[in-house]
Amino acid sequence: NFMLTQPHSVSESPGKTVTISCTRSSGSIASNYVQWYQQRPGSSPTTVIYEDDQRPSGVPDRFSGSIDSSSNSASLTISGLKTEDEADYYCQSYDSGNVVFGGGTKLTVL
Amino acid sequence: QVQLVQSGAEVKRPGASVKVSCKASGYTFTDYYIHWVRQAPGQGLEWMGWIYPNSGGTNYAQNFQGRVTMTRDTSISTAYMELSRLTSDDTAVYYCARRYCTGTSCHFDYWGQGALVTVSS
Repeated sequence: NFMLTQPHSVSESPGKTVTISCTRSSGSIASNYVQWYQQRPGSSPTTVIYEDDQRPSGVPDRFSGSIDSSSNSASLTISGLKTEDEADYYCQSYDSGNVVFGGGTKLTVL
Repeated sequence: QVQLVQSGAEVKRPGASVKVSCKASGYTFTDYYIHWVRQAPGQGLEWMGWIYPNSGGTNYAQNFQGRVTMTRDTSISTAYMELSRLTSDDTAVYYCARRYCTGTSCHFDYWGQGALVTVSS
C-alpha cells in the first residue's frame, strides 16, 4: 500500500503560475497513471488531468500534468491563473486495482 | 448527455444503516464501472469501492469491508451503496462516479451531485 502526499495549501496571484505536487510514498510514481481532479466549493469533482498529462476536452491548456521519477512525484501546473481556478485539487492513482487519493490541496488565487 | 443523479440527503441515528442510490442516464449502464467516494465535512476524498453493473461484481476498500454493500438494478440503471452500523464519523457527502477507461488507463469522467448523510443522535 502507498500514500499520495500533497501540500495542504498553495496560493498565488492571478496571471502567475502555480505547481501542486503529489508524492508517492512507496513504489514508483511511474507504475500507475496519475489523475488530477478539481473540486470547487459546493460542487462535485471534475477531471482536469488523466494519464499523468492528458487533458479532457474542455479543460484549458493552462492546465498541465507531469511526473518526475527522481522525486517520485506527480505535478499539476496551472499557468495564467484565474480567480475561477480557486478550488481544491486532488491527485489520484491506483494500488493493485484499488483507488488512492491524495489528501487534497487548497489553491487560493489572490 | 451522461448524468448520474443521486438520492437526497438523509439523517440517521448511530447504529442505523443508509442506502444511497445513483441513477444513470445517457449511456449504457452495464458498460461502465460505478465507484463510490465519500467526503467528510472539510475533508478530502475517500474511496469506498466499486460495482460493475454488468455482472454485479464488487470490490470494497479495506476500511469499509464488512460494513458496505454495493448493488445495482439494471432494469432502472441504478446503483446503490448501503453502509451499516453508522457512527458520527460516517457523516459525509457520498458521491457515485463513472469510471471511463481509455486503452491504457481509467479515470472518473462523470460524478453524481453527492448525497449528504448526517449521523446524529
